[in-house]
Amino acid sequence: EDQVTQSPEALRLQEGESSSLNCSYTVSGLRGLFWYRQDPGKGPEFLFTLYSAGEEKEKERLKATLTKKESFLHITAPKPEDSATYLCAVHDYYGGSQGNLIFGKGTKLSVKP
Amino acid sequence: KAGVTQTPRYLIKTRGQQVTLSCSPISGHRSVSWYQQTPGQGLQFLFEYFSETQRNKGNFPGRFSGRQFSNSRSEMNVSTLELGDSALYLCASSPRRTGGGTEAFFGQGTRLTVV
Repeated sequence: EDQVTQSPEALRLQEGESSSLNCSYTVSGLRGLFWYRQDPGKGPEFLFTLYSAGEEKEKERLKATLTKKESFLHITAPKPEDSATYLCAVHDYYGGSQGNLIFGKGTKLSVKP
Repeated sequence: KAGVTQTPRYLIKTRGQQVTLSCSPISGHRSVSWYQQTPGQGLQFLFEYFSETQRNKGNFPGRFSGRQFSNSRSEMNVSTLELGDSALYLCASSPRRTGGGTEAFFGQGTRLTVV
């Protein structure tokens, strides 16, 4: 069965303290791995798409990387406004999901000033 | 460019009633997917519509249904509401069918509370 696991569930950082969030996945045929940011009471906001192992993408203080079995979201010198839940999702080409997004449970990030 | 618009933002319904939620996708997007988000289960796929046809369906009971109109706008209906249907319902639009690595852009969601 397809599975996406994110760790840690929650992460508390001090402003400026860099860290990484992990997303591990088991799918039959990865067609894309997506990172989203979700603020309380709002819909997920698209951040990145990664398609193949070795690919990296950056946006401001965020950098996403992909290997064959996991993805990392690196946060460099975070600010309080980076506090949110970060969601990882995959598209599986061959799996029973028939291509819909399969989401992890998310990592809730809190950045204290 | 306008984003995905969901209406209403909040709903309170009584057990046994039915409800209809609406979603207007980004202009030019033809795929609309619906997800249910709860604290315990996270985001779970309900169904996808493309060119007015349901293309894919998640593991939800038949009380959950939807449709898509010729202008790509979509509605989702839940009949005979149960307490467990309380959730944030999210709509996502994509320019092409999902499954090919195409990004999905989400609306703000409809918060449904069943009492």
